[in-house]
Amino acid sequence: AQTVTQSQPEMSVQEAETVTLSCTYDTSESDYYLFWYKQPPSRQMILVIRQEAYKQQNATENRFSVNFQKAAKSFSLKISDSQLGDAAMYFCAYRSGWGAGNMLTFGGGTRLMVKP
Amino acid sequence: ETGVTQSPTHLIKTRGQQVTLRCSSQSGHNTVSWYQQALGQGPQFIFQYYREEENGRGNFPPRFSGLQFPNYSSELNVNALELDDSALYLCASSPWTGGSPLHFGNGTRLTVT
Repeated sequence: AQTVTQSQPEMSVQEAETVTLSCTYDTSESDYYLFWYKQPPSRQMILVIRQEAYKQQNATENRFSVNFQKAAKSFSLKISDSQLGDAAMYFCAYRSGWGAGNMLTFGGGTRLMVKP
Repeated sequence: ETGVTQSPTHLIKTRGQQVTLRCSSQSGHNTVSWYQQALGQGPQFIFQYYREEENGRGNFPPRFSGLQFPNYSSELNVNALELDDSALYLCASSPWTGGSPLHFGNGTRLTVT
């Protein structure tokens, strides 16, 4: 079974600064997908960024980028130019590349606080 | 396009009772899954439905059951509620295609007393 670990329960960043959230995972599979989701107080999980394991290039979405290290099974999220609206819970998630469907394995989450 | 909608928003039940939670999937999405998120934790996969049949299940007992309807909407039923069932229940939809991101609803907060 796959596991996802987020070792930072809480992180804090100053507005306009850069912060990196860590995520490691354990799998014996070679084909899989990794995601970062944001959960604000509204409770809705919002997709931040998606990485396909067979792609070596790190995914980027505007101020959000990842550092995907497949051999190390590490998938960190970098948020640049942090904004107050970035404050939320962030979850790293794993999905097997075999078959299809919606089964995600989530980490325990990191609470990000943004200081004005 | 219409996103994923869940009802009700909040629910309070007594131990031993039964509850039904509802979810309307995003337009064009034929796969629905349910997750349980206990306070302060990440979501845990309960099960998913595709073509009105359960297709994948997490480590949850049979008293957690579900349905998917021809319009792809879904229900989660929990029988014989226990105090530990208190959690946020999230519904997510996506196309069946592998690797498609999930689109989540705002969840139903269930409190069991």
